[in-house]
Amino acid sequence: DIQMTQSPSSMSVSLGDTVTITCRASQDVGIYVNWFQQKPGKSPRRMIYRATNLADGVPSRFSGSRSGSDYSLTISSLESEDVADYHCLQYDEYPNTFGAGTKLELK
Amino acid sequence: EVQLVESGGGLVQPGRSLKLSCLASGFTFSNYGMNWIRQAPGKGLEWVASISSSSSYIYYADTVKGRFTISRDNAKNTLYLQMTSLRSEDTALYYCARADYGGYRDWGQGVMVTVSS
Repeated sequence: DIQMTQSPSSMSVSLGDTVTITCRASQDVGIYVNWFQQKPGKSPRRMIYRATNLADGVPSRFSGSRSGSDYSLTISSLESEDVADYHCLQYDEYPNTFGAGTKLELK
Repeated sequence: EVQLVESGGGLVQPGRSLKLSCLASGFTFSNYGMNWIRQAPGKGLEWVASISSSSSYIYYADTVKGRFTISRDNAKNTLYLQMTSLRSEDTALYYCARADYGGYRDWGQGVMVTVSS
């Protein structure tokens, strides 16, 4: 099975920060990576598809990138509404696998 | 507007069965693959099962293989998850999600399954 090693598990952030979360895939997953945002008590929301594409309605301060087997989600100029949990997912092959998640908390 | 509404959850004893449903609206259900994903309390997301648009391709996580069955009724716009031989470790919020070329596009609100005696 493909492992998605997500880091950090949590991050203390301030408004206006630039935040980067990374997932490392244990095998090649190509461009088939999603990033999801999940707020308490809510369903996940797709933010990034195909590793680098912004999903509909997602603010442009969010971006996805890839460097080899490392996939990153970057939030520029963090706003209060961005404080949430973030999850990566590889859907290149089954079993599809999620990262363990990153919790953003305000300082 | 796309809507995915899960139902059928509840409290069930270990070893018993439960069937979840996910009613879809706002898109042509028969054109899309569908997935079940779960999230144990305070934990991360875990993929459970996937089914292609015509039910030709079905995949399961090893943790549920042989116990859970994913199915769909395209005439009723409904996705199902039949769960048998339930264990305490199956306790989770179960989501259905629509798949597209970009992965998991839309998610339902989730339905809670609690396995406890």
